[in-house]
Amino acid sequence: DTAVSQTPKYLVTQMGNDKSIKCEQNLGHDTMYWYKQDSKKFLKIMFSYNNKELIINETVPNRFSPKSPDKAHLNLHINSLELGDSAVYFCASSRLGAEGEKLFFGSGTQLSVL
Amino acid sequence: GQNIDQPTEMTATEGAIVQINCTYQTSGFNGLFWYQQHAGEAPTFLSYNVLDGLEEKGRFSSFLSRSKGYSYLLLKELQMKDSASYLCAVKGTGGFKTIFGAGTRLFVKA
Repeated sequence: DTAVSQTPKYLVTQMGNDKSIKCEQNLGHDTMYWYKQDSKKFLKIMFSYNNKELIINETVPNRFSPKSPDKAHLNLHINSLELGDSAVYFCASSRLGAEGEKLFFGSGTQLSVL
Repeated sequence: GQNIDQPTEMTATEGAIVQINCTYQTSGFNGLFWYQQHAGEAPTFLSYNVLDGLEEKGRFSSFLSRSKGYSYLLLKELQMKDSASYLCAVKGTGGFKTIFGAGTRLFVKA
């Protein structure tokens, strides 16, 4: 069983479209995250939810909207996609107190905006 | 500001030892992590240090000096499969935010 699973793995779309990425974790963790990894491999945090409550919201365009229907799921919706949104998006989860709340990552979604 | 610095690339020989350094300046400190990321894959957790000193886990060890804002990851008995990026990451205080360095790409040659 995959601990943190996200879909789709690849997403190719046109500029201006709206798309969603889904993430689910079966580890019983309290906190979930979205990270963006650009072409230079820099991993940057975008959002974090703890027990369905938004706790981190970095300087991200408001075209990006996370939604957490329950603590096992965190989805990312992106409106009006732009070329600069092309990147790999990683979902992650962690548990309070477990080795500094180390992160468990999903396999990533490679988004290509044409 | 927050800054994490590590070398961009390193090359080492199979069977050798390599040390990957990381220096950081962050708003508060609540632990330092090392992650391994193979090309096209997700990062995976390697180690966590919150107190000064050396933590050893098999072929991998991680060292922390909080007063110097410095850590290193030591890889012994290098294997070809150790070719990957190694990401240094720091957790600040007051939240759940883990900040990542740009990563060090390690090439292990025969």
